[in-house]
Amino acid sequence: SQQGEEDPQALSIQEGENATMNCSYKTSINNLQWYRQNSGRGLVHLILIRSNEREKHSGRLRVTLDTSKKSSSLLITASRAADTASYFCATDAPGAQKLVFGQGTRLTINP
Amino acid sequence: SQTIHQWPATLVQPVGSPLSLECTVEGTSNPNLYWYRQAAGRGLQLLFYSVGIGQISSEVPQNLSASRPQDRQFILSSKKLLLSDSGFYLCAWSSVGLRNNQPQHFGDGTRLSIL
Repeated sequence: SQQGEEDPQALSIQEGENATMNCSYKTSINNLQWYRQNSGRGLVHLILIRSNEREKHSGRLRVTLDTSKKSSSLLITASRAADTASYFCATDAPGAQKLVFGQGTRLTINP
Repeated sequence: SQTIHQWPATLVQPVGSPLSLECTVEGTSNPNLYWYRQAAGRGLQLLFYSVGIGQISSEVPQNLSASRPQDRQFILSSKKLLLSDSGFYLCAWSSVGLRNNQPQHFGDGTRLSIL
């Protein structure tokens, strides 16, 4: 079964607005990662947050992690048309060298 | 810097034909390697991963197989393709790290269509 589940499945906003995507997971984790995928391309790693961290920033990206609620959020501030893509969260599987990906959020930024 | 190469970019194969997709990594040694399949508009399904030469872990029973003949080469194969094998196949690598904390780096994928 999927470890991470993103919400919403699709999000459409106007350029300049902020976009927030959420991820929930089921079991304990060592870290949670967010990836971006442009249409027809491979995934690109955006940010990794460890289980002992609560918030992390990278440019216009802000990720939070609440291990008590088993959830994370990705905030993209001041969105741009180029941010249009699918965004996936991924959690590590305890004891294994692999990640489990969610189904993704399709983000559309309207100019 | 590290790079990952995956080919071909697109492939159209008839049902029952064999398959061989290749992935190579440059600029790193002893990487973890992964094969994923992605259905249209969906998430990634892990098919195989490898932590070393000749070491393959299979995640989903199916008619696909994987091999790692060299440290930085990962091959996905099938003897007889099924219609359900259509999809977008992605190869990825990561460094070996403590407690599985390493990001994965993806190739540009192979879009496989079975006719």
